[in-house]
Amino acid sequence: DGGITQSPKYLFRKEGQNVTLSCEQNLNHDAMYWYRQDPGQGLRLIYYSQIVNDFQKGDIAEGYSVSREKKESFPLTVTSAQKNPTAFYLCASSIWAGNSNQPQHFGDGTRLSIL
Amino acid sequence: GQNIDQPTEMTATEGAIVQINCTYQTSGFNGLFWYQQHAGEAPTFLSYNVLDGLEEKGRFSSFLSRSKGYSYLLLKELQMKDSASYLCAVRVHGSGNTGKLIFGQGTTLQVKP
Repeated sequence: DGGITQSPKYLFRKEGQNVTLSCEQNLNHDAMYWYRQDPGQGLRLIYYSQIVNDFQKGDIAEGYSVSREKKESFPLTVTSAQKNPTAFYLCASSIWAGNSNQPQHFGDGTRLSIL
Repeated sequence: GQNIDQPTEMTATEGAIVQINCTYQTSGFNGLFWYQQHAGEAPTFLSYNVLDGLEEKGRFSSFLSRSKGYSYLLLKELQMKDSASYLCAVRVHGSGNTGKLIFGQGTTLQVKP
């Protein structure tokens, strides 16, 4: 079945460590997104990508980095510069970001915690 | 700035009807989405409005008034499984026509027997 796969489901980070969250989709979607969700808050956009080898900063990009070397994959690295990384991270994709009637489809998320 | 407001929590009774409101003030508007999210799970798409009026989809309906910056999600014949968070999201124009989504904080609905 087509869908978005995020891994791992749970991740623990040590002080000063970089960690990478995986996001893979087999929906043939052009656009991919990373969001962060904190308790009692809505989703906040970290980075997004419309095509391969291109990505844009969202509203809270500091302390994060991404790459888009393949259409199917959009990994997110949480760097040591992100001082408050504990959150639920959601990856999403859509057919074409500018096509307004197409919803974003979400993966099951990765819950990141600090050791 | 971009601002989307929803009530934080609502409670309703099984079999009843509930209306979840969403008001927005955004720079540009290119559609409004409603998502359902069960605790610890991915949001799932419920409905989309870009023109004024009501969109009906089974037990769920969504209404939009662009002039008032207002939308609501109507859930009929409530079931226990409808207990979840409901997220309102506005698509705004981004760089390169990417159409970013701005999310409200979500409304947690508890359905009681």
